[in-house]
Amino acid sequence: GAVVSQHPSWVICKSGTSVKIECRSLDFQATTMFWYRQFPKQSLMLMATSNEGSKATYEQGVEKDKFLINHASLTLSTLTVTSAHPEDSSFYICSARLGLAGVQETQYFGPGTRLLVL
Amino acid sequence: AQTVTQSQPEMSVQEAETVTLSCTYDTSESNYYLFWYKQPPSRQMILVIRQEAYKQQNATENRFSVNFQKAAKSFSLKISDSQLGDTAMYFCAFTNFGNEKLTFGTGTRLTIIP
Repeated sequence: GAVVSQHPSWVICKSGTSVKIECRSLDFQATTMFWYRQFPKQSLMLMATSNEGSKATYEQGVEKDKFLINHASLTLSTLTVTSAHPEDSSFYICSARLGLAGVQETQYFGPGTRLLVL
Repeated sequence: AQTVTQSQPEMSVQEAETVTLSCTYDTSESNYYLFWYKQPPSRQMILVIRQEAYKQQNATENRFSVNFQKAAKSFSLKISDSQLGDTAMYFCAFTNFGNEKLTFGTGTRLTIIP
């Protein structure tokens, strides 16, 4: 149980294009999903918290217009990197929180998406 | 602000041996959760074990167990009978009760030597 999928697993794009990454909770409903970025040999950096049906909450320093997040259903959140540039190249990971709203539970992670912007 | 510290950037151990990874945290809260996540070379983050702060009993999951010392704010992970598949980056993580965000440590890279 508690499986989270992410698609695509890797993507290469040209500078200036937009890329959409999907995160799905496969066997549970997730009221909250999270998007992280991870640089090589570093820990995870939280980018934003996504709640179903409401606007995402972004961490300080994360550009809202650059990283668009949509949480349209209890099983799907998407991250769109708009007008991608080489510095956006990174490993992006999503997670979904299992549990009732207001009750802290465990985050389960997707397999990640490797983005390379040329 | 909460912080999580993993003081061992890298560790290695022979297969079948026991290894302990250290983690300390700082918080003024009394209700919180602690986690150990494993990130193997595939980079998939996998939950290893979880501990609720209000529980005195240390969590155990098969070969994995924790030593939770609340007063000392310490949360170490013990891996018994280590296997080659345990080779991974291990992250300690913390969250307050009612706060959805996870605070991660910097990780410990564990290598199991055949």
